[in-house]
Amino acid sequence: AQSVSQHNHHVILSEAASLELGCNYSYGGTVNLFWYVQYPGQHLQLLLKYFSGDPLVKGIKGFEAEFIKSKFSFNLRKPSVQWSDTAEYFCAVNAEVSGTYKYIFGTGTKLKVLA
Amino acid sequence: DGGITQSPKYLFRKEGQNVTLSCEQNLNHDAMYWYRQDPGQGLRLIYYSQIVNDFQKGDIAEGYSVSREKKESFPLTVTSAQKNPTAFYLCASTPSGTASFRNQPQHFGDGTRLSIL
Repeated sequence: AQSVSQHNHHVILSEAASLELGCNYSYGGTVNLFWYVQYPGQHLQLLLKYFSGDPLVKGIKGFEAEFIKSKFSFNLRKPSVQWSDTAEYFCAVNAEVSGTYKYIFGTGTKLKVLA
Repeated sequence: DGGITQSPKYLFRKEGQNVTLSCEQNLNHDAMYWYRQDPGQGLRLIYYSQIVNDFQKGDIAEGYSVSREKKESFPLTVTSAQKNPTAFYLCASTPSGTASFRNQPQHFGDGTRLSIL
């Protein structure tokens, strides 16, 4: 079955540290890939997306992600995190499942940035 | 501003009671979705609707029901058959439910937190 794996459930970093959150998916066909962020008390919002072209995509607030097709991965990165990046991050795949396009979400990674 | 409105923000259910969660959007989107969010399990799809008067079961539809009588509204009923309803429920939408929307992100509401009394 199609799935999205986020191996890091909780991450704690100090401000200015570099961030990389892993995301792997299991699906052999064409996929669209997304990272969403949920700040405390706020709704889920799009951070960045990939659907074609340059596999390195840049999003809001200095985040970027790299699509590596051979590894079925779409890891999220940020060179220097800030306290305001404390949030829960979700990787998602949009793919065709039984003739219908569905979104499949990972289990999420809670990031806490220490000031 | 366009967006998705979910109400209420908090809801309490008694044993044996059905409760309905509201989801309204003014984005003119065709497709709408209901997810359940539990700690450590991410978002799991309950039901989705690609167009008015049509909806399909998601991965965890048992104990839930929906209707899609209007384009802007997609209410979710949590029935008494749902034995573990305590969760955070999220409604989302996309412009279309077809292949043309594959690269479109979902828009989310603020969610409803349901608890059992």
